[in-house]
Amino acid sequence: RKEVEQDPGPFNVPEGATVAFNCTYSNSASQSFFWYRQDCRKEPKLLMSVYSSGNEDGRFTAQLNRASQYISLLIRDSKLSDSATYLCVVNPPLDAGNMLTFGGGTRLMVKP
Amino acid sequence: ETGVTQTPRHLVMGMTNKKSLKCEQHLGHNAMYWYKQSAKKPLELMFVYSLEERVENNSVPSRFSPECPNSSHLFLHLHTLQPEDSALYLCASSQDGAGNEKLFFGSGTQLSVL
Repeated sequence: RKEVEQDPGPFNVPEGATVAFNCTYSNSASQSFFWYRQDCRKEPKLLMSVYSSGNEDGRFTAQLNRASQYISLLIRDSKLSDSATYLCVVNPPLDAGNMLTFGGGTRLMVKP
Repeated sequence: ETGVTQTPRHLVMGMTNKKSLKCEQHLGHNAMYWYKQSAKKPLELMFVYSLEERVENNSVPSRFSPECPNSSHLFLHLHTLQPEDSALYLCASSQDGAGNEKLFFGSGTQLSVL
């Protein structure tokens, strides 16, 4: 089983739609979780951290489900500019290296 | 601008060449990283330096040789590479190298090995 697994997509959605991605992780003792965004031919940039109680930043909502070992990202009212690859990132515990582990990314394409 | 600058942006080299990738960060961070991003694969951590000391080396082949002369500069020296080493090489920095820190990435070097 991969340490961090994502559906590669692409998810093709119309402008204004709501879309959600999930990401599963294998180490149940993982401590920190993040979503990064990577535009085509650009570097990854932090989109948001994921907190145990869930958190929201404008149109973006991130949630953590420790029991089922997944995190999710919900995007409401999709914009054309949301088209990108969304990378799930997990920080395993100290005894597993304590270095951020990236998923393969989920590609989102928002159409007019 | 993320405060992390990488050069060159693109590099084409033959298998017998020697080249170096350069990374500089202007954020006052103490940790710097090299990642490899191949097509359709997750980012792979290659090297981590914290306060100029290497703290992580994920079994990277010796044809990749990192150098960190100070906390602001990081190099990746390349020699006798293979075509499968063609990828995007990303440099990143973070405040102290703790696993839960935000990473700031450079724009990357797109490397093609012929």
